[in-house]
Amino acid sequence: EDQVTQSPEALRLQEGESSSLNCSYTVSGLRGLFWYRQDPGKGPEFLFTLYSAGEEKEKERLKATLTKKESFLHITAPKPEDSATYLCAVQKRNDYKLSFGAGTTVTVRA
Amino acid sequence: GAVVSQHPSRVICKSGTSVKIECRSLDFQATTMFWYRQFPKKSLMLMATSNEGSKATYEQGVEKDKFLINHASLTLSTLTVTSAHPEDSSFYICSAIGLVGQSSYEQYFGPGTRLTVT
Repeated sequence: EDQVTQSPEALRLQEGESSSLNCSYTVSGLRGLFWYRQDPGKGPEFLFTLYSAGEEKEKERLKATLTKKESFLHITAPKPEDSATYLCAVQKRNDYKLSFGAGTTVTVRA
Repeated sequence: GAVVSQHPSRVICKSGTSVKIECRSLDFQATTMFWYRQFPKKSLMLMATSNEGSKATYEQGVEKDKFLINHASLTLSTLTVTSAHPEDSSFYICSAIGLVGQSSYEQYFGPGTRLTVT
């Protein structure tokens, strides 16, 4: 059975304190792994898609990496505006559906 | 690019009435749209997949007669919650896939609709 597990559930950081979020997955025939950011009461905002092990993508203070079993979202020198829930999702080949993890809620204190 | 809108953003209805939620892709043609439901502090749960011009495909456990989906054009899908009950109160989010940029697999999400049934 396909599974997507994110850890930790919640992460409290001091401004400038870098950290990483983990998304481990078990899926047969992975097409891609997606990272989204969701603010309270809003829809998810697309961040990255990773398609193959070893791939890395960056956007401002965020960097996503992918292995055959997991993905990491690194937040470098976070700011309070990086506070949000970060969602990881996987997509299988021959299917456009996304299966989401439960998310990691990040709170960055000034 | 890749903007998806939803209307309304919030709706309050009485138990037993029906409510319609619209999902539009504003700057691209969406061959496929998805409808999700999200409970407080929980992740997104896929309800159904909607393809333009054909019947929606519902996930296991989702009542197709209660949650009517119509994908009338390449830019519009609607979700109608029929005979709503308080337990249908939730945050409903749509997403769309189309040929955006270099990838046709990325889903772009709408801002969500908060439904409260009293």
